[in-house]
Amino acid sequence: DQQVKQNSPSLSVQEGRISILNCDYTNSMFDYFLWYKKYPAEGPTFLISISSIKDKNEDGRFTVFLNKSAKHLSLHIVPSQPGDSAVYFCAASAPGGGGSNYKLTFGKGTLLTVNP
Amino acid sequence: SQTIHQWPATLVQPVGSPLSLECTVEGTSNPNLYWYRQAAGRGLQLLFYSVGIGQISSEVPQNLSASRPQDRQFILSSKKLLLSDSGFYLCAWSVGSLQGWLFFGEGSRLTVL
Repeated sequence: DQQVKQNSPSLSVQEGRISILNCDYTNSMFDYFLWYKKYPAEGPTFLISISSIKDKNEDGRFTVFLNKSAKHLSLHIVPSQPGDSAVYFCAASAPGGGGSNYKLTFGKGTLLTVNP
Repeated sequence: SQTIHQWPATLVQPVGSPLSLECTVEGTSNPNLYWYRQAAGRGLQLLFYSVGIGQISSEVPQNLSASRPQDRQFILSSKKLLLSDSGFYLCAWSVGSLQGWLFFGEGSRLTVL
């Protein structure tokens, strides 16, 4: 059962345009969401996060939107740059005991290609 | 500053051979430690996590095992590798609960032939 879904395996955009990466989740207990960026043969690096008490978080060119009723979040990159080309992973965590607050559940990732 | 290292970076092993991947964290105490695997088309899959020495939680039943002999050392092992064990293995750490971030190592590429 995939609790975090990234239904688009790939996305291609032109430099300077907006990139929108989508993520859906099924576990209503998730209360913290993160996006990670991964280059080939490297470990993922943290990009941006959002708590469930917010619906938007912005950091420079990167903005994450959260729609709790739809169980959907998206990452917007504006303007997109060729260096943004990477795999982007959506991840979520839940509070509480049983170790759930120590674990991140990841989506399968979306490969973003930004063309010059 | 905190650093995380894992090795070897690349490993090619025959089916049925043993495996040992090692991960160490520097610059922090009592971290939570994790092993993830990225297999083709399957995203990042949590294999094991540990909140303390000798404490291992397994997420996915498989022929892999993990051990934490020291506070900042995490080892992923197998007695007999399968073809399906091929993938990119990532060690990671965090501090406290995950209302924070997960920091990943450089990864280890395992190819089982």
